[in-house]
Amino acid sequence: NAGVTQTPKFQVLKTGQSMTLQCAQDMNHEYMSWYRQDPGMGLRLIHYSVGAGITDQGEVPNGYNVSRSTTEDFPLRLLSAAPSQTSVYFCASSYSLGTTYEQYFGPGTRLTVT
Amino acid sequence: ELKVEQNPLFLSMQEGKNYTIYCNYSTTSDRLYWYRQDPGKSLESLFVLLSNGAVKQEGRLMASLDTKARLSTLHITAAVHDLSATYFCAAGNAGGTSYGKLTFGQGTILTVHP
Repeated sequence: NAGVTQTPKFQVLKTGQSMTLQCAQDMNHEYMSWYRQDPGMGLRLIHYSVGAGITDQGEVPNGYNVSRSTTEDFPLRLLSAAPSQTSVYFCASSYSLGTTYEQYFGPGTRLTVT
Repeated sequence: ELKVEQNPLFLSMQEGKNYTIYCNYSTTSDRLYWYRQDPGKSLESLFVLLSNGAVKQEGRLMASLDTKARLSTLHITAAVHDLSATYFCAAGNAGGTSYGKLTFGQGTILTVHP
C-alpha cells in the first residue's frame, strides 16, 4: 500500500493563478479531508468528504473547491490563488470500520503564492 | 463549535527531566489524538484515546484522557534529545458525517537540551 499520496510536494504560484493539489489513497477509505497548516495555528480543516460524491465544508473553505468522483481521489482546487493561501496542505483519510479510528496523513504540499 | 487549546506552546526541557503537555477541548468529543511532527515532515500518530480514563504509553510518552474535565495530557518521562519535535493534540467525534473531521490544537514546540 502506498497509503496517502500527495502531489506536488512543492509549488509556487503567482497571485490569481489556479491549480489543483492532488490527493490519493489506496486503502479504500470512505473519509478524506484537507487541512492547511500555518505557523502557530495547528491544522485547520478546509473540506472533507464522507464518500464518493459527498463533500462538505470545514473551518476555512473560502477560495477552495473540492469534488470526489472516486473513493481513491480527493483533489483540492485553488480557484484564484492569493498570498493568504501560502501554507502547507495535508490530505488525510480514514474509515469507520474497526475500532482504531486512525487518521492517515499524506506527506504534504508546500504552497507559496507570490 | 469544538475548540482545542494546548499549553504550553513552547517547552524547553533538560534531558532527563519530566514534563506534561495539556490539551483542553471545549465540547463533547469521543476521540482524542496525539501527533508528533518533525520539521518539514507530516504528522506521525502517537496515540488515539477513545474513552474516559484511557491511558496509553509508548516509550517515554504517556497519554491520558479525562472526558469529564475535557482534558488530555501527554506526559514525557526522562526526556531525551530525540523527543524534540512539535506535538499536536486533536479532537473529533466518531458519529455520522463528523468522522473525517478533526479540530487541532495550536501545537507545542518541544526542545530538549543536554
